[in-house]
Amino acid sequence: EIVLTQSPGTLSLSPGERVTLTCRASQSFSSTNLAWYQQKPGQALSLLIYGASRRATGVPDRFSGSGAGTDFTLTISRLEPEDFAVYYCQQYNSSPPTFGQGTRLEI
Amino acid sequence: QVQLVQSGAEVKKPGSSVKVSCKASGGTFSNYAFSWVRQAPGQGLEWMGRIVPLLEMTVYAQKFQGRVTITADKSTSTVYLELSSLKSEDSAVFYCARDSGVYSSPNWFDPWGQGTLVTVSS
Repeated sequence: EIVLTQSPGTLSLSPGERVTLTCRASQSFSSTNLAWYQQKPGQALSLLIYGASRRATGVPDRFSGSGAGTDFTLTISRLEPEDFAVYYCQQYNSSPPTFGQGTRLEI
Repeated sequence: QVQLVQSGAEVKKPGSSVKVSCKASGGTFSNYAFSWVRQAPGQGLEWMGRIVPLLEMTVYAQKFQGRVTITADKSTSTVYLELSSLKSEDSAVFYCARDSGVYSSPNWFDPWGQGTLVTVSS
């Protein structure tokens, strides 16, 4: 199965800053079958990005995704207070679908 | 918009089974596929399996094969996850989620249920 490694594990930032999160796959994707999710404490995951770069409905345009092959990134252009959460990447290129271990953004 | 509402927290003894429900509303149940994902403390997220209610088709992750059963009740738009032979390591939050595709797999997941905490303890 494809193993996803997210880095860094935790980031301490301030509102207004720009941040880029990384997700690296153990095998190259032939297509951009990667999603990003946000999870706030005590809440379910919420889809942010699919197809590596397509924003889900209602997701603010400060969130953007890019990448292909083995390296993917999620960028938040200007952090808002509500963006401090845990972010997970997920590949759906091959079964079973797998998730990264998450990156925590903290204030 | 589809919404998924899961059943409440459970406490189970080792060796027993647990059955968690996930009721869908706001859409046409038979048009969708659903997956279950486990989030154990310090273990990350693990996909357990999926069901396509229209086709009565299930696929399970190899890790859980033999211990997991996913079913659906089309009359109540509810999907179920049953996990047997519970161990303390099975203590986790279990999420249901709608697959982005029905006939293709695997997929991304949206939306997700609120999660059900299952605690396995003697």
